[in-house]
Amino acid sequence: DAGVIQSPRHEVTEMGQEVTLRCKPISGHNSLFWYRQTMMRGLELLIYFNNNVPIDDSGMPEDRFSAKMPNASFSTLKIQPSEPRDSAVYFCASRDRGTYNEQFFGPGTRLTVL
Amino acid sequence: DAKTTQPNSMESNEEEPVHLPCNHSTISGTDYIHWYRQLPSQGPEYVIHGLTSNVNNRMASLAIAEDRKSSTLILHRATLRDAAVYYCIPSGGATNKLIFGTGTLLAVQP
Repeated sequence: DAGVIQSPRHEVTEMGQEVTLRCKPISGHNSLFWYRQTMMRGLELLIYFNNNVPIDDSGMPEDRFSAKMPNASFSTLKIQPSEPRDSAVYFCASRDRGTYNEQFFGPGTRLTVL
Repeated sequence: DAKTTQPNSMESNEEEPVHLPCNHSTISGTDYIHWYRQLPSQGPEYVIHGLTSNVNNRMASLAIAEDRKSSTLILHRATLRDAAVYYCIPSGGATNKLIFGTGTLLAVQP
């Protein structure tokens, strides 16, 4: 298996632009997580899905952030409009239904908002 | 969520054992203790987890105190590739969310 796939790996954009981050979980996994990592705040859980349904979005910073999971093999995290303080590394992780909480992380997307 | 206390940093020599401590005095009775690590410029990766008994796998061993208020991750022979930030995370219940703290930055000297 290729593991969790994220795209793009790097994104540089200007303030005010829309940004879409993409994630393909490991096939067969039924839970998907989006995290954000910055030097100041560390690794934060933004939202997670179970069977494509958002279960907990309490970590989403504000309305500019939205996440979707239209099917079991794809999820997006969208920021609109983007701001410089959104600059961070965004990780996606997936988890198998039969594995107690072993999450598999993707390589991350490094986002820079100028 | 249970709070954890880990040393900010530790150093080890290559091929020597490393004991990484974690205090989690507010852990609930049903929380498992998870350890993840994050190598430079990579996403976190699972290391090991346990509930009450000590656990071993190919990567490490986990020693859990009898009162479950602390645990120790043991790397039996540190290699340069083990240099990473190690996170101790109590988690469980219906959601099994992982809440990452600041972790311990392990440096391994050749």
